[in-house]
Amino acid sequence: DQQVKQNSPSLSVQEGRISILNCDYTNSMFDYFLWYKKYPAEGPTFLISISSIKDKNEDGRFTVFLNKSAKHLSLHIVPSQPGDSAVYFCAASAIYAGGSEKLVFGKGTKLTVNP
Amino acid sequence: DSGVTQTPKHLITATGQRVTLRCSPRSGDLSVYWYQQSLDQGLQFLIQYYNGEERAKGNILERFSAQQFPDLHSELNLSSLELGDSALYFCASSVGVGVSNEKLFFGSGTQLSVL
Repeated sequence: DQQVKQNSPSLSVQEGRISILNCDYTNSMFDYFLWYKKYPAEGPTFLISISSIKDKNEDGRFTVFLNKSAKHLSLHIVPSQPGDSAVYFCAASAIYAGGSEKLVFGKGTKLTVNP
Repeated sequence: DSGVTQTPKHLITATGQRVTLRCSPRSGDLSVYWYQQSLDQGLQFLIQYYNGEERAKGNILERFSAQQFPDLHSELNLSSLELGDSALYFCASSVGVGVSNEKLFFGSGTQLSVL
């Protein structure tokens, strides 16, 4: 059961334009959401996060929006740069029985920014 | 460079065999996490250790086991290997036990091919 879904396997945008990556989740217990970026032959690296008590978090060119009622979040990159070309993973965390906290990842969206 | 070291980078073996993947966390990090990324799948959480103790468990098969040693390095043991175990195995580390309030730092992964 895929609790975190990234329905677009790939996205292509022009340099300077906005990139919008989407993510949907099913588990209402998720209370924290994160985006990780992955370049080929490297491990994922943390990009930006948002708590469930907020609806927006901004860090430079990157903004994450959370719509709890729709169980949907999105990552906006403005303006997009060729160096942003990577696979972007959406992730969500919840505290489970026993107090453990687990991070659940989506399958990723491959972003290509064309010069 | 995330500071997390995984060895080996590539591993080719046959069905039925046993392999050990090794991970050295960032200096000062007490938590180690193991993730599996199969073809066309997201990052699947396997297991987390914190300061030598198992902290959280995900979809880890009974044929798989892990441990964290006193020097905080971790090993993931995969036995009775099947073709479907072929995947990229990532190790990540963090300072504390949480995954939402802390960034995870990922190694570059071990690519396991079972033939």
